[in-house]
Amino acid sequence: AQSVAQPEDQVNVAEGNPLTVKCTYSVSGNPYLFWYVQYPNRGLQFLLKYITGDNLVKGSYGFEAEFNKSQTSFHLKKPSALVSDSALYFCAVRVPSGSARQLTFGSGTQLTVLP
Amino acid sequence: DADVTQTPRNRITKTGKRIMLECSQTKGHDRMYWYRQDPGLGLQLIYYSFDVKDINKGEISDGYSVSRQAQAKFSLSLESAIPNQTALYFCATSDSGLVAGELFFGEGSRLTVL
Repeated sequence: AQSVAQPEDQVNVAEGNPLTVKCTYSVSGNPYLFWYVQYPNRGLQFLLKYITGDNLVKGSYGFEAEFNKSQTSFHLKKPSALVSDSALYFCAVRVPSGSARQLTFGSGTQLTVLP
Repeated sequence: DADVTQTPRNRITKTGKRIMLECSQTKGHDRMYWYRQDPGLGLQLIYYSFDVKDINKGEISDGYSVSRQAQAKFSLSLESAIPNQTALYFCATSDSGLVAGELFFGEGSRLTVL
């Protein structure tokens, strides 16, 4: 069975500092990995995905994520945090042979960027 | 206007009542989903539909039913609501031509069952 772990329920970072939101996964075979963001009172929005190729993927709003196969991780990063980045972030995984119905979401990490 | 619209956005009801949450989309996507979000649990798939004639149960379908009235409309029903169905419900869509996993979500329907 596949699973996703987001080990931190809450991450606080000062504006202008780099941020990292952690995600580790467990699947049989190669993973497809995704990050979503949820702003208050809004639905989830797709940020970025890793399918294959370059381990560093870039997404919306200046976010990027690094796929590390040996550590089974897909951490979300941003070089300089903004107060407007404060939101709930979800990592998700599925296997290539599956479909969106087999997408497994993590429990979410609340990011707070302090002015 | 939102591409994926959910109604109602908020609903308070009593145990035993029938509730319907509606979802409509203007994205032209063929696939639609209903998820439930509980704090600290992430999202759990309730039902999904890959086209109008295709309805499938997700991981937590007990107590729920769905109807795909048209390609653009997918409704979720709770026949007899119970308090542990209090949650935030999301409708989502995807296109079979995209990498599956890129979902487009509505803004959610918050349901409280007293």
